[in-house]
Amino acid sequence: QSALTQPASVSGSPGQSITISCTGTSSDIIAYNYVSWYQQHPGKAPKLLIYGFTNRPSGVSDRFSGSKSGNTASLTISGLQTEDEADYFCSSYTNIITIFGGGTKLTVL
Amino acid sequence: QVQLHESGPGVVKPSETLSLSCSVSGYSISSGYYWGWIRQPPGKGLEWIGSLSDSDTTYYNPSLKSRVTISADTFKNQLFLKLTSVTAADTAVYYCVRDLQFYGSGSYVYWGQGTLVSVSS
Repeated sequence: QSALTQPASVSGSPGQSITISCTGTSSDIIAYNYVSWYQQHPGKAPKLLIYGFTNRPSGVSDRFSGSKSGNTASLTISGLQTEDEADYFCSSYTNIITIFGGGTKLTVL
Repeated sequence: QVQLHESGPGVVKPSETLSLSCSVSGYSISSGYYWGWIRQPPGKGLEWIGSLSDSDTTYYNPSLKSRVTISADTFKNQLFLKLTSVTAADTAVYYCVRDLQFYGSGSYVYWGQGTLVSVSS
């Protein structure tokens, strides 16, 4: 089964921007499918940040943005804030099946 | 405001069946959207279990398909999950979810608070 690869951890300082990548192991898992991003704080349910590669649901800060290049999707967080420290997961939706990346822990130094 | 609330036993014995329910408020599940279940083993990532469409069609994770059943009671506005022959690997927080898009997109905008199920004798 195809998989999504994310870096285990990233870090940044308040005010900086960081980018988290999500790479598909098969040629089309990212390129032709619907990618979403989620934020999860400890002990809480995940929160949808980005859908359809670049779209934000109502109420999500515009500091969060998504992009795609080839078989890699990316989540960029600008103007880092301490409350952004959390786990971030990407997902790909293909043929009704949803696959998640392993998650990235963001530390705000 | 759509709200989802999972409930079920916190402990299930190995080889038995895990049964969870999800009570939905703020929206009638018979009115559409895809509803489903996602789980997360302690300290690990997310795993999609399966979804139920507005036409009552089910879709399951191939790795769990032989053991999973997702169903709904539209009168009670509840979603259900059954997972048979559980092992310790099924220990996880189980989330009930609803898709953002009416026809399904894999973008889950509504989540329950999650319920921890431990498989232990």
